[in-house]
Amino acid sequence: NAGVTQTPKFQVLKTGQSMTLQCAQDMNHNSMYWYRQDPGMGLRLIYYSASEGTTDKGEVPNGYNVSRLNKREFSLRLESAAPSQTSVYFCASSEGLGGATDTQYFGPGTRLTVL
Amino acid sequence: AQSVTQLGSHVSVSEGALVLLRCNYSSSVPPYLFWYVQYPNQGLQLLLKYTTGATLVKGINGFEAEFKKSETSFHLTKPSAHMSDAAEYFCAVSDTGRRALTFGSGTRLQVQP
Repeated sequence: NAGVTQTPKFQVLKTGQSMTLQCAQDMNHNSMYWYRQDPGMGLRLIYYSASEGTTDKGEVPNGYNVSRLNKREFSLRLESAAPSQTSVYFCASSEGLGGATDTQYFGPGTRLTVL
Repeated sequence: AQSVTQLGSHVSVSEGALVLLRCNYSSSVPPYLFWYVQYPNQGLQLLLKYTTGATLVKGINGFEAEFKKSETSFHLTKPSAHMSDAAEYFCAVSDTGRRALTFGSGTRLQVQP
């Protein structure tokens, strides 16, 4: 099993450009998550999906959209990138329907720089 | 609202010394508590978690943590540090009704030879 995979690993954008971060998991998990990690701030939840066809906002959703394409894939889109979105983005998945005790499994991250 | 405070953004220990990483939380309901580790250029992986039952929780790689409700703490310990323990450690909290974790800001552990 590959676990949680993310593409691309690195990306540089100019302000105003758009892009989609891809995430896939092969563990047949129900829930998927997108976090951003900034220095000194830990991880903050952007969006999550408790099951195929459902998505919910997290702590910092502004400037982002998500799509739960199927059970395996959960993409994050930046429509008009801003320098404040420079960060490392992590996708995660968990077996349950987003329960509070679920163990989350993380991908390797995408390092995004917006100039 | 929940919050997590990790005291010390950087901790340095000698190889073979005790590792103690501190985590305090605030939650209005009984919490579920997690420690995750992040090795350089990798995603996070679960070290251990407390949900219910025994308050001393053992995890992978010789780490353990004790839930102390009276102190609202969930400190992570390891009796003897190894060079391979050098990483960043995150404490996180959740509770019934929430679907996501609230993370602390992380503690970077350095192990000196």
